[in-house]
Amino acid sequence: GEEVAQTPKHLVRGEGQKAKLYCAPIKGHSYVFWYQQVLKNEFKFLISFQNENVFDETGMPKERFSAKCLPNSPCSLEIQATKLEDSAVYFCASTSRQGKTEAFFGQGTRLTVV
Amino acid sequence: GQQLNQSPQSMFIQEGEDVSMNCTSSSIFNTWLWYKQDPGEGPVLLIALYKAGELTSNGRLTAQFGITRKDSFLNISASIPSDVGIYFCAGRNTGNQFYFGTGTSLTVIP
Repeated sequence: GEEVAQTPKHLVRGEGQKAKLYCAPIKGHSYVFWYQQVLKNEFKFLISFQNENVFDETGMPKERFSAKCLPNSPCSLEIQATKLEDSAVYFCASTSRQGKTEAFFGQGTRLTVV
Repeated sequence: GQQLNQSPQSMFIQEGEDVSMNCTSSSIFNTWLWYKQDPGEGPVLLIALYKAGELTSNGRLTAQFGITRKDSFLNISASIPSDVGIYFCAGRNTGNQFYFGTGTSLTVIP
């Protein structure tokens, strides 16, 4: 597609439940980035992929967070046993390649843990 | 993770005034990007800069890639009410990692 598509737009989970978010990058883009944005507007980097391979996972809380980008499927970010502090907007961005490139963002998924 | 220093944090201006905001980093970047985020929406790319010293315009917006590669600024001329939103800078390094500024919240008073 011509834009980064994230689903769902809103997600409400009880504490301890699993949450799964999806991101379809722009067609032809080989890099996908996940960010968490909390109330202070800070973009916290979580993980990035180059095609289906993890490129950088230095921001990923590994205990409960996992992510995948499989061929011919949307990328996914999964949170096991959600906690209240996981409430945030999760953004996905994609870029075409290294070199002269720009990152385009999806509309985000607002996760509310109650 | 690294956060870019973006200032000012917020601005309240009269319609028609010019706006200037900037970002600084302790690290060198090879790309600077400026985004605008409206409430409930994802960041929308405004301007991309790829070379030190580069000055690029997009309508009333002008941005520059600092000579040291550690800073960038964004100017908005003759502001209008729809310019309201949060503006973010982002820097990309040679490792294809993106780092974001803390945002500048712009309010335009008609």
